[in-house]
Amino acid sequence: AQKVTQAQTEISVVEKEDVTLDCVYETRDTTYYLFWYKQPPSGELVFLIRRNSFDEQNEISGRYSWNFQKSTSSFNFTITASQVVDSAVYFCALSARDTGRRALTFGSGTRLQVQP
Amino acid sequence: DAEITQSPRHKITETGRQVTLACHQTWNHNNMFWYRQDLGHGLRLIHYSYGVQDTNKGEVSDGYSVSRSNTEDLPLTLESAASSQTSVYFCASSGQGDQPQHFGDGTRLSIL
Repeated sequence: AQKVTQAQTEISVVEKEDVTLDCVYETRDTTYYLFWYKQPPSGELVFLIRRNSFDEQNEISGRYSWNFQKSTSSFNFTITASQVVDSAVYFCALSARDTGRRALTFGSGTRLQVQP
Repeated sequence: DAEITQSPRHKITETGRQVTLACHQTWNHNNMFWYRQDLGHGLRLIHYSYGVQDTNKGEVSDGYSVSRSNTEDLPLTLESAASSQTSVYFCASSGQGDQPQHFGDGTRLSIL
């Protein structure tokens, strides 16, 4: 069975601080995809990034960066110079290709509050 | 623009009633999914479909059913609603392979 753990239930930072959201995953499959989604207070789910298991390059998109390490089964998300608009619940998710499942297994989410 | 629409956005019903939540997508995606979101659990998979006439059970499928008669729609039915099914329900769709899923705006269902 596959599993995603987001141990940080809630994080509170002050604007302009950097913050890292942790994600640890478990799967027996050799081919899998990892995702991050953002859920702002309005409730919709916004796709942020997809990473496949064969690509361990870190990725940067503006103030967002992702660190994928297969050795520790982690896919952490860093927001640099946080802003109030970053306040949201962030979900890490996993889909395993080998078992034919394109459905996502989600972590329980990390609520980020950025104080002005 | 292509989109995925859920209806209703909010619903209140009584235990024992049959409830159907609609999901309609115009992406022409083969893959469609239903999840429920509860505090402390993130989103959990209820049912999913990889094409017309194909349906599969997810992690929390008891008490729910789906049918896929066309590409665009995957309605979710609660045969006999229970208070434990009070939740926010999200429908999603995705294209070929492991493309990111597009989510609807959710349906907040309260069962009294």
